[in-house]
Amino acid sequence: DIQMTQSPSSLSASVGDRVTITCRASQPISNFLNWYQQKPGRAPNLLIYAASALQRGVPSRFTGSGSGTDFTLTISNLQPEDFATYYCQQTYSTPPETFGQGTKVEIK
Amino acid sequence: QVQLVQSGAEVKKPGASVKVSCKASGYRFTNYNMHWVRQTPGQGLEWMGIINPSGGSPIYAQKFQGRVTMTRDTSTSTIYMELSSLRSEDTAVYYCARRGRSSSWYYFDYWGQGTMVTVSS
Repeated sequence: DIQMTQSPSSLSASVGDRVTITCRASQPISNFLNWYQQKPGRAPNLLIYAASALQRGVPSRFTGSGSGTDFTLTISNLQPEDFATYYCQQTYSTPPETFGQGTKVEIK
Repeated sequence: QVQLVQSGAEVKKPGASVKVSCKASGYRFTNYNMHWVRQTPGQGLEWMGIINPSGGSPIYAQKFQGRVTMTRDTSTSTIYMELSSLRSEDTAVYYCARRGRSSSWYYFDYWGQGTMVTVSS
């Protein structure tokens, strides 16, 4: 199974900041990488698929990049509604679908 | 609009079984594979399995083999996930999710609201 490792596990930031979250795969996965946002008590919400394609309706301040084993999710101009937990997911080699352990973005 | 509506919260004793439903609407049910994902308290997302609403055998995560059964009812556009021999570690929120696709890439584009299953004596 492909293992997905996110870093950091949590971070503190202020409104307006630029935030970067990293996801590393245990083996190359091309660009078969998705990012989700999850708020407390809610289901995850798809932000980005194919490493860099923005899902319809997702603000352009979210950008994804990377290929192979290393990926990043960047949030520019952090907004109050962006404080949440973010997960990466690989779909290159399935089953199983594997997720990273999550990165919690908290208010500084 | 696409909606996935899950059944309500459950409280079960250790050793019992639980069956969670997920009713789809707003799209052609048989056109999209469906997944089950769970989230234990304060933890991350754990994939449990996939079912094709059109037919065929579900595929289960190795961890749940022998304890999980996923089924579908095309007449009501509903999928089900039954987990048996429950233990306290199965206390979690269980989600169904639709597998959307764009060319070669796929993703979970719609999720149910989640069903809290509590296992306690």
